[in-house]
Order: sequence, then structure tokens, then C-alpha cells
Amino acid sequence: RKEVEQDPGPFNVPEGATVAFNCTYSNSASQSFFWYRQDCRKEPKLLMSVYSSGNEDGRFTAQLNRASQYISLLIRDSKLSDSATYLCVVNAYSSASKIIFGSGTRLSIRP
Amino acid sequence: NAGVMQNPRHLVRRRGQEARLRCSPMKGHSHVYWYRQLPEEGLKFMVYLQKENIIDESGMPKERFSAEFPKEGPSILRIQQVVRGDSAAYFCASSPPVRVNRRVAEQFFGPGTRLTVL
Repeated sequence: RKEVEQDPGPFNVPEGATVAFNCTYSNSASQSFFWYRQDCRKEPKLLMSVYSSGNEDGRFTAQLNRASQYISLLIRDSKLSDSATYLCVVNAYSSASKIIFGSGTRLSIRP
Repeated sequence: NAGVMQNPRHLVRRRGQEARLRCSPMKGHSHVYWYRQLPEEGLKFMVYLQKENIIDESGMPKERFSAEFPKEGPSILRIQQVVRGDSAAYFCASSPPVRVNRRVAEQFFGPGTRLTVL
């Protein structure tokens, strides 16, 4: 089983729609969780950290479910500029300082 | 406050040559990570360094690849005798020290170096 698994997509949704991604992780002792976005041929950029209590940043909401070992990202009122690949990131059990990136979920917003 | 700097942005080498990729972390960041990304694939961890120390190199190929982060100057990822399979985007990231509650710190990425081996 992969340490971090994501649905690769692509998700193709109309502008204004709400879209959600899940990401599962295998190590129950993982401590840190993040969502990054990566545009085509660009570097990953931190979107948000994911806290146990869940957190929201504008149109973006991240949730952590430790019992089921997944994190989620919800995007409301999607914009064309949200089109990107979204990377789920979890710290690895073998090293607290090494972060594992999921392969990403591709999102395409259509007008 | 400048972000993570990488150079060159594009590097072309012929098979058998050496490639040297440089990374300057964000100001105040003492941790550097190198990742490789093949076309249409995810990021793969290569190595994690602090100043003058390699902390975790479990993702580095056993041969031809080396990394350093000297006391002065940028971190260097060195690939000797490059082969076509080394063609990829190489990203460097930096982070501040890990927080006391054991959460790892967020990593901030440079723009990457795109290596093409002819």
C-alpha cells in the first residue's frame, strides 16, 4: 500500500461548482498534513496546512479524519484559476522530517 | 524576503557529462530538501540536508548522485555521468527548523531546474 494515495482525476467541473478531494495515508502515527497545488511545469506551492480541528481559508476547507486516516480538501465557488494539480502531503513515519507527496489530483475548471 | 532560489533554471547536458544544480534556501531556513519529478509523475524525495550535514539520503540513487549543503553558499545537487533517464525537473525546498510540538515545518519550493540529457 502506498504511504499516501490520491485519486489522480482529472476532475472536470464547471466554474462556480463545489469540488472535494480525499487523500488516504497509511501511517496512523503521521503528525503533519498539508495541501499543495502545482500548476503545469511550475513548482508546488503550499495551499494550506491541515489541523486536527479542520481549517478554512476563504473558499478552501481542509479536514483531517484520523480514525479513517484521510484528509480532504473542499473548494467552494471554484474559479478558472483553481485549475491545477492538488498534492496531498503527509510526514513519513520513518523520519519526522521527511514529507511524502501524493501523486496529485488534477482539477480542471471549465467556463 | 527572497524565496528559494535555484539555478540554472534549464540545463542541457550530453550523456556522460556532469550536472551541478544549485539551491539557495529562504533567509532563516536551515533545512534543504531535493526532489525529482519526471514528466507526468509525482515528486520523489531525494535527500534532506542541514548545514554541513546530510540528514536523510534514502531517496538518492546509490551511484552518480551526491548532495551537499556547505556552511557558506548554496546547496549543490551533483549528478555525474548523466544518462537520458536523469532528464527531469529537480526541485529544491527549504523549511525553518522543526517546531517543538514535533510537527514538521512547511516546505517552500524553488522554481526548479529542468535537466535535459541529450
